[in-house]
Amino acid sequence: DTGVSQDPRHKITKRGQNVTFRCDPISEHNRLYWYRQTLGQGPEFLTYFQNEAQLEKSRLLSDRFSAERPKGSFSTLEIQRTEQGDSAMYLCASSLWAEETQYFGPGTRLLVL
Amino acid sequence: DQQVKQNSPSLSVQEGRISILNCDYTNSMFDYFLWYKKYPAEGPTFLISISSIKDKNEDGRFTVFLNKSAKHLSLHIVPSQPGDSAVYFCAASYTGNQFYFGTGTSLTVIP
Repeated sequence: DTGVSQDPRHKITKRGQNVTFRCDPISEHNRLYWYRQTLGQGPEFLTYFQNEAQLEKSRLLSDRFSAERPKGSFSTLEIQRTEQGDSAMYLCASSLWAEETQYFGPGTRLLVL
Repeated sequence: DQQVKQNSPSLSVQEGRISILNCDYTNSMFDYFLWYKKYPAEGPTFLISISSIKDKNEDGRFTVFLNKSAKHLSLHIVPSQPGDSAVYFCAASYTGNQFYFGTGTSLTVIP
């Protein structure tokens, strides 16, 4: 399968714990995006990378959130000191530079107790 | 500040008939629009897109119409099939970097 993959698919954690999610984009895609989706809402943009450079961050990305894409391939999204409001589906997408279409992974569903 | 709106949370259509899903946007700078389909427990799947220089794009049973003056786009599915039952999101972009999604319309195609 050469699509976007995300790991883990599900994560349950206690409030205050740190969590880290991984995204592996389609191999030739140089752009990678993170979104958050809550119940009844569409995906909300968090941040995106072009190769290893993080080019844009949403105001939704508080200082407890950090994303990296160290070698321009896979990316990680870390949430520190999780809160119940962080419970959501975290989606990763990738695209080729100068192409508009983004391809999504299956998402990581986070539940903070 | 919801810049992309899907005002119908759900739609039911008989198999074989046309499904019309609507989307409105507020930002006149948007120049690219996409429709995604989402099944439960999966990420959104790209369906069809349209650039603002066009007013129609067709791909098989799926056609997207763009009315820039009304800031409105619609997705037509003809004929509708039970496998089309899913949540449909429209999305818009003006920089190619950040996409804005609507809240989705849940389509049910009744056999």
